[in-house]
Amino acid sequence: DQQVKQNSPSLSVQEGRISILNCDYTNSMFDYFLWYKKYPAEGPTFLISISSIKDKNEDGRFTVFLNKSAKHLSLHIVPSQPGDSAVYFCAASGDNQGGKLIFGQGTELSVKP
Amino acid sequence: NAGVMQNPRHLVRRRGQEARLRCSPMKGHSHVYWYRQLPEEGLKFMVYLQKENIIDESGMPKERFSAEFPKEGPSILRIQQVVRGDSAAYFCASSPRVIVNTEAFFGQGTRLTVV
Repeated sequence: DQQVKQNSPSLSVQEGRISILNCDYTNSMFDYFLWYKKYPAEGPTFLISISSIKDKNEDGRFTVFLNKSAKHLSLHIVPSQPGDSAVYFCAASGDNQGGKLIFGQGTELSVKP
Repeated sequence: NAGVMQNPRHLVRRRGQEARLRCSPMKGHSHVYWYRQLPEEGLKFMVYLQKENIIDESGMPKERFSAEFPKEGPSILRIQQVVRGDSAAYFCASSPRVIVNTEAFFGQGTRLTVV
């Protein structure tokens, strides 16, 4: 039962353009959504999060949008840079999850110079 | 302030041997979460521990896997009688409190290869 899904395994974008990474979830009880970035042979690092009571959160080049009715969130990176090339995981959690994170399968972003 | 430290980074075990993975949380963090990442998949929750207590082990396989977080020392994830399917990257995360809307700090992982 995959509660958090990232249906695009990979995404290729030109440097300077926008990268849009998508994530869908099924559990309406999730309260928080987080994006993590992961380089090969390293652990995930936190990028940005959003509470379920909001529909947008912005931090520099990174913006996360949440559409609760569609159970969908997206991460926008503008402008994309080659250093953004990594695997991006969305994760969900909630007050009833005991602190554990439910991860999607990840999307590998490649930003080409 | 050192980050979450996991060791070893790479571990090779023959089928039937035991694997012991260690996780030292960040200073001041008393909550530890273990996750497993199988090839081409996302991270899957395994177990959540606080000092000397297992809080949630709902993601742990029923047999061969155990975890502890003693009063002193690192958290240990132990896999007995390893099989090829145990080959994966194992990550731990630590937090000063129950992780809900705050980010978890992950270690670099231990890559277990069973031959």
